[in-house]
Amino acid sequence: GAVVSQHPSRVICKSGTSVKIECRSLDFQATTMFWYRQFPKQSLMLMATSNEGSKATYEQGVEKDKFLINHASLTLSTLTVTSAHPEDSSFYICSGRRQGEVGQPQHFGDGTRLSIL
Amino acid sequence: QKEVEQNSGPLSVPEGAIASLNCTYSDRGSQSFFWYRQYSGKSPELIMFIYSNGDKEDGRFTAQLNKASQYVSLLIRDSQPSDSATYLCAADSGGFQKLVFGTGTRLLVSP
Repeated sequence: GAVVSQHPSRVICKSGTSVKIECRSLDFQATTMFWYRQFPKQSLMLMATSNEGSKATYEQGVEKDKFLINHASLTLSTLTVTSAHPEDSSFYICSGRRQGEVGQPQHFGDGTRLSIL
Repeated sequence: QKEVEQNSGPLSVPEGAIASLNCTYSDRGSQSFFWYRQYSGKSPELIMFIYSNGDKEDGRFTAQLNKASQYVSLLIRDSQPSDSATYLCAADSGGFQKLVFGTGTRLLVSP
């Protein structure tokens, strides 16, 4: 199956720190990856769609200057949470779609649990 | 506003029973529908998807789609305690690549 690797799995850092999360498609090329955020006991909320070689498309209400997305290659997208604050603490999950796969489901990484002190 | 609605549960079933999970969606343009399982503290895992009216079976799982009623369901036969998780229903965003997720139904399978 399609494998998506996400790193790191957990980050604990001080308020004001910038945190970078990597999302890699290991066995397929992903022209499009997606970044989600999930708060406790809530569903997934799409933050942005990451497009290889172009700017990300952000959902309404998501600050593009705070959540920087770079999709420099067909297998890597990064999300940088700039100047993180306690309210940014959440579970961040990326996903990728394998082109040509029937139904084109999204395959998720293992997620990054971000805790800002 | 494109929405996917699910009953939050919990849905409690005894081991060996059939669990029936339901989902409705608002966007008639949605073509593909997905069921994901999410264990507590973990990321979603794809169970199956469906895009044609009718039933689709995969092992103990059967997905059902009724586009006229805008209704999707997932049946889990011979439920096991290890099936206890939150099940997320998702619909594609009518031709776009995004998925719209429901809030999930929590399933509890008791031994």
